[in-house]
Amino acid sequence: QQQVKQSPQSLIVQKGGISIINCAYENTAFDYFPWYQQFPGKGPALLIAIRPDVSEKKEGRFTISFNKSAKQFSLHIMDSQPGDSATYFCLSGGSNYKLTFGKGTLLTVNP
Amino acid sequence: NAGVMQNPRHLVRRRGQEARLRCSPMKGHSHVYWYRQLPEEGLKFMVYLQKENIIDESGMPKERFSAEFPKEGPSILRIQQVVRGDSAAYFCASSQGQGNQPQHFGDGTRLSIL
Repeated sequence: QQQVKQSPQSLIVQKGGISIINCAYENTAFDYFPWYQQFPGKGPALLIAIRPDVSEKKEGRFTISFNKSAKQFSLHIMDSQPGDSATYFCLSGGSNYKLTFGKGTLLTVNP
Repeated sequence: NAGVMQNPRHLVRRRGQEARLRCSPMKGHSHVYWYRQLPEEGLKFMVYLQKENIIDESGMPKERFSAEFPKEGPSILRIQQVVRGDSAAYFCASSQGQGNQPQHFGDGTRLSIL
């Protein structure tokens, strides 16, 4: 069972600001770290994923930073927009296909 | 839309009735997963299926719940004799393979028990 601790539980950011969500994991056997984004009434959508042999991955305004020694990884949303308002989940996985979602981080971007 | 399709989107049942939830995976995907999201909770894994096989049902309650993924047609999650505690959003995901293969989710079925 994946163990990931995510913070903060909720986050309010002004439009144009940077949103930062942090996650810490325990099991060093995991080699796959996806982030999912979920809008109300919708299913989770894979946003971006990273493997531990990479320290950073960027896709548009979204960047994952990975610190293997600290067993931490974070999501940065640059130039945050109201349309980014959603719940974000960080997960960890390996050969285990059982994705485990925590309560996530509720991001609100004010216009 | 070639995404994961779930139906119905909303389902209302009375206690004791049966609920059938359907999931059609993305084109080319042969692995299906069911998750349940209780109010104010994260998604919890229920069952993993490939065509005609249940690979892992460790997250599914032993009684009243069953799942199948026939050779033809959608995957079905069946809940018999529903109770109030079964009220939740049920999500289906599919992938090309297991393990590190990305799982793509449908928009869920919201089950309400009266």
